[in-house]
Amino acid sequence: DAKTTQPTSMDCAEGRAANLPCNHSTISGNEYVYWYRQIHSQGPQYIIHGLKNNETNEMASLIITEDRKSSTLILPHATLRDTAVYYCIVRVAGADYKLSFGAGTTVTVRA
Amino acid sequence: GAVVSQHPSWVICKSGTSVKIECRSLDFQATTMFWYRQFPKQSLMLMATSNEGSKATYEQGVEKDKFLINHASLTLSTLTVTSAHPEDSSFYICSAGRLAGKETQYFGPGTRLLVL
Repeated sequence: DAKTTQPTSMDCAEGRAANLPCNHSTISGNEYVYWYRQIHSQGPQYIIHGLKNNETNEMASLIITEDRKSSTLILPHATLRDTAVYYCIVRVAGADYKLSFGAGTTVTVRA
Repeated sequence: GAVVSQHPSWVICKSGTSVKIECRSLDFQATTMFWYRQFPKQSLMLMATSNEGSKATYEQGVEKDKFLINHASLTLSTLTVTSAHPEDSSFYICSAGRLAGKETQYFGPGTRLLVL
């Protein structure tokens, strides 16, 4: 699986959009970009994933650059409950494939 | 949908005893389940991949005789920590692979183990 690079931490203001970057310059053609988050002392929560097109769901939007070497997760209106560690993971699609977690980005939403 | 439960949510045991942790997919079937371990201030580390009806595949450095995994049905996998020691104290998390729909993994809430 391709390696990803994320900032260690970032702060954002409640009610504002939070933009979380992820670099994955060695991504292969059949690898997807997955985003999970882990709120303190809980199991990770699936957020969104995509291959090359931008994706949006009820939680977030995923913007993938045309060359697929980087992506941005957007939380449109951050709330205090969005404070968590966010993990960007690149791997082939499929439920049977393992996920390799890096250090992620610690996002702190401030009132 | 896609709910995964774990039981117990936390457990305290004496050194030398065995502890069993259950992982269930409540509203979908999962041929593959995964077990992770997380130490304080660290990321999740995959321990093993559990396939229904077959032996689990362990990651390098994980003792298969110490961490027994059984995946007896499409909705249940168990992890047994045998002869637990204080260094086994950790946060254990399972995930289940959902084949239909998003084809991704969904995680349980985790089990916190403290070995005294």
